[in-house]
Amino acid sequence: EVQLVESGGDLVQSGESLRLSCVASGFPFSSYNMNWVRQAPGKGLEWVSHINGASRTIYSADSVKGRFTISRDNAKNSIYLQMNSLRAEDTAVYYCARDQSGDYSFDYWGQGTLVTVSS
Amino acid sequence: QSALTQPPSASGSPGQSVTISCTGTSSDVGGYNHVSWYQQHPGKAPKLMIYEVNQRPSGVPDRFSGSKSGNTALLTVSGLQAEDEADYYCNSFAGSSWVFGGGTKLTVL
Repeated sequence: EVQLVESGGDLVQSGESLRLSCVASGFPFSSYNMNWVRQAPGKGLEWVSHINGASRTIYSADSVKGRFTISRDNAKNSIYLQMNSLRAEDTAVYYCARDQSGDYSFDYWGQGTLVTVSS
Repeated sequence: QSALTQPPSASGSPGQSVTISCTGTSSDVGGYNHVSWYQQHPGKAPKLMIYEVNQRPSGVPDRFSGSKSGNTALLTVSGLQAEDEADYYCNSFAGSSWVFGGGTKLTVL
């Protein structure tokens, strides 16, 4: 069974940093691209960042470029999101989502972890 | 990276059909067949319902169908059931990013 479990969400002050983690199980992790997607309270989904299986291709949304960095450790079946210079507008539930092989959709999602940035 | 445009709400009675639109540009919806749709119930993670414009993942009822014409994608839910009441989001690959629609709240009357 595919499982994605996020952790690391917390209440932080504006300007501070936070690192999110997502541990995967139930599939050959290194063969799959992974993403972070966020959802502000009461708002819609926003794609944040993408990393391919070998960490050679990384894409990020303009709204987080230069502040957020996605990475992965295939030995630990994990992806990470290092978030620096956090702003109030980064407050959201952050989901990790698996990229369904070859078709650019997100077929499995974690339960999410809440990041709250206080100004 | 502007959000795709969806109607904020849609509704239908049980057994009826409802269609939700998703309008983008030639840089996203119109430029790729990598359009997907997600269902989200309150407090839950999104669930993939349609990928590659019109493909259904295993386990998704065939009441859900997708299509695309030009820069607009459509999600049709036929034979509406109470459990279909949820938020629906479209998504498109856009070259080096992905973009979601603003979401449509589907109400089953």
